[in-house]
Amino acid sequence: DTEVTQTPKHLVMGMTNKKSLKCEQHMGHRAMYWYKQKAKKPPELMFVYSYEKLSINESVPSRFSPECPNSSLLNLHLHALQPEDSALYLCASSQAPTGSSYEQYFGPGTRLTVT
Amino acid sequence: GDSVTQMEGPVTLSEEAFLTINCTYTATGYPSLFWYVQYPGEGLQLLLKATKADDKGSNKGFEATYRKETTSFHLEKGSVQVSDSAVYFCALTYTNAGKSTFGDGTTLTVKP
Repeated sequence: DTEVTQTPKHLVMGMTNKKSLKCEQHMGHRAMYWYKQKAKKPPELMFVYSYEKLSINESVPSRFSPECPNSSLLNLHLHALQPEDSALYLCASSQAPTGSSYEQYFGPGTRLTVT
Repeated sequence: GDSVTQMEGPVTLSEEAFLTINCTYTATGYPSLFWYVQYPGEGLQLLLKATKADDKGSNKGFEATYRKETTSFHLEKGSVQVSDSAVYFCALTYTNAGKSTFGDGTTLTVKP
């Protein structure tokens, strides 16, 4: 199984809502990532979890809160978002965070619209 | 810092034409290099990779060779199909912290 799954596929939320994005992989990967991708742009790294611990936070606003409950799951909790946060949110995993030859496996993304 | 520069798109080709998408990089060490492809409405998929100088990555008819002397990793395919229409991202992974640097992406459209 070389699949990363993400739910929901689409999400519309108001600026006062609280919602969560979920990501799951069963490849035994020990690194998991959240990216934000705007239209016609490359993915921008938000967070990296290494062995279930947050190892990189790319100065992401606190209205985005990641969580890694176990080695297979990654959540992104959303609260008080702004319209400019509307984007495709991609989850990815790799065999390990170290070892530069490890490619990342991406999920299909959650298309988020903030109204 | 590290950076990746891709040729600007969009690129429009006829079916069976030869494809080249240029990618050059700047890195202080010896990164691994990747090409990812993103089809409309989907996430990124690894297309091919090369981990050291002179390595050639290949997959589905696509090839790219890691050229240290020219700091390049150009993507080529001898005969494109309509189904190859997508956005192609060149990327490098250098640090041991799992961060990848992506190019801006090149949109390819193949017409029948």
